[in-house]
Amino acid sequence: EVQLVESGGGLIQPGGSLRLSCAASEFTVSSNYMSWVRQAPGKGLEWVSVIYSGGNTFYADSVKGRFTISRDNSKNTLYLQMNSLRAEDTAVYYCARARANIVGAVTTKSFDIWGQGTMVTVSS
Amino acid sequence: SYELTQPPSVSVSPGQTASITCSGYKLGDKYACWYQQRPGQSPVLVIYQDIKRPSGIPERFSGSNSGNTATLTISGTQAMDEADYYCQTWDSSTAVFGGGTKLTVL
Repeated sequence: EVQLVESGGGLIQPGGSLRLSCAASEFTVSSNYMSWVRQAPGKGLEWVSVIYSGGNTFYADSVKGRFTISRDNSKNTLYLQMNSLRAEDTAVYYCARARANIVGAVTTKSFDIWGQGTMVTVSS
Repeated sequence: SYELTQPPSVSVSPGQTASITCSGYKLGDKYACWYQQRPGQSPVLVIYQDIKRPSGIPERFSGSNSGNTATLTISGTQAMDEADYYCQTWDSSTAVFGGGTKLTVL
């Protein structure tokens, strides 16, 4: 079954660090665009970061310079290293596959596979 | 930064048609996706590339995108369609989500 399974969430103090993992099954992480999306309690979805199959990475302004997305091809796993955590980073973090669709000269992407999410709570 | 605006809530009677809008500057020049999220669950893709339905998504879900507005339409709405719905697009290499719309089936 094609699936994503996140792990690594928990309670962390402000200023601390945490690394989230997302293990993929039945498809290859390195051949796809992969993203992290978060959802604060009672709020909407917020995109966090993407890593392209070629290795390019992009971040939301709210996490730029603090979070790092990466992957381990041998483990078929996506990561999110989160440093200098703040209370406003408290959220459920989802990893998602951004499937690419080529339409003419345009590559459009949609999040077709989502993990179950892992909760990160930043609090003293 | 690019923004997408959705109405916070939409109500519909069972069997009727629900329309959820998503507004953004020249959104019609981009491609829009829609996600359904039921309480306590992960989001599910219901429309991609403006109008396409992934495998397993019922035909009653359809989409359109023109000008500054993308629309998700649910025909013959069922109680099981009650959920939060999010539109999404890409602005260069940044994904953008709308604020979400809570669909209530009365």
